[in-house]
Amino acid sequence: GNSVTQMEGPVTLSEEAFLTINCTYTATGYPSLFWYVQYPGEGLQLLLKATKADDKGSNKGFEATYRKETTSFHLEKGSVQVSDSAVYFCALSDRRGSTLGRLYFGRGTQLTVWP
Amino acid sequence: DTEVTQTPKHLVMGMTNKKSLKCEQHMGHRAMYWYKQKAKKPPELMFVYSYEKLSINESVPSRFSPECPNSSLLNLHLHALQPEDSALYLCASSQEPGQGNEKLFFGSGTQLSVL
Repeated sequence: GNSVTQMEGPVTLSEEAFLTINCTYTATGYPSLFWYVQYPGEGLQLLLKATKADDKGSNKGFEATYRKETTSFHLEKGSVQVSDSAVYFCALSDRRGSTLGRLYFGRGTQLTVWP
Repeated sequence: DTEVTQTPKHLVMGMTNKKSLKCEQHMGHRAMYWYKQKAKKPPELMFVYSYEKLSINESVPSRFSPECPNSSLLNLHLHALQPEDSALYLCASSQEPGQGNEKLFFGSGTQLSVL
C-alpha cells in the first residue's frame, strides 16, 4: 500500500540554523511527492513538489529531492527564520487509477524557530 | 482569485442539531475535497468530487452528507453528530482531477465543536 513516514517532532531551532525534516515513503505505483505547510489557524499550503525520480522541488529557500533508491523526500532549508514556524506535512499521490485524487499524508512535524 | 473560502470559521452544535459547512472556489477547479483534521494529526480524506460527481467516499458515516450543487460550491451537511466528530474540517480543490500530481488548494477550515 501507500504510506508516508515523517520524523517525529517537535523540532526546535534557533534562527539561521539548518533544517532537515526526514520523510520516507512506501508506494505501489509511481507517486508524486509533496511538502505541505500549515501555519497556526490556517489550512495547508503546498510548499513544493516533485513528480519523478531525481526531481528537486524548491520554494522559499526550502528544497527536497525525490530519491527513488532510498524512497525518500527529505525537506531542507539552509537558514530558517522565525516565520518558518509551522507544521510540515510530507505527502504522496499515487497516479494509479484506483487511487487518483487521494493524498497520503505523513503525521506532520511541528517546527518552532526561536529568534 | 486563488482562494478557497470556507464558512463558517467556527461552529458549535449540539448532537441533535442540523448544520451545513460551505466551501467556495472560483478558480475553475473541477475537483473538490473534504478533509477532517484532528488536533496534531494529519488531514484525513472524507470525500472527493470530480466534475461535480462524488468519486471517493472514504467510508464516512452517513451523519456526514456532502453535496456539490455546482462546480464552484461544495457543502457538507451535518446531522446527529457525536462529540468525537469535533475537528477542523478542511475543504480543498484542484484543477484537473485524476492527474495524481496536481496541487491542492486548501481553505482555512471550519473548527467544529460538538457538545
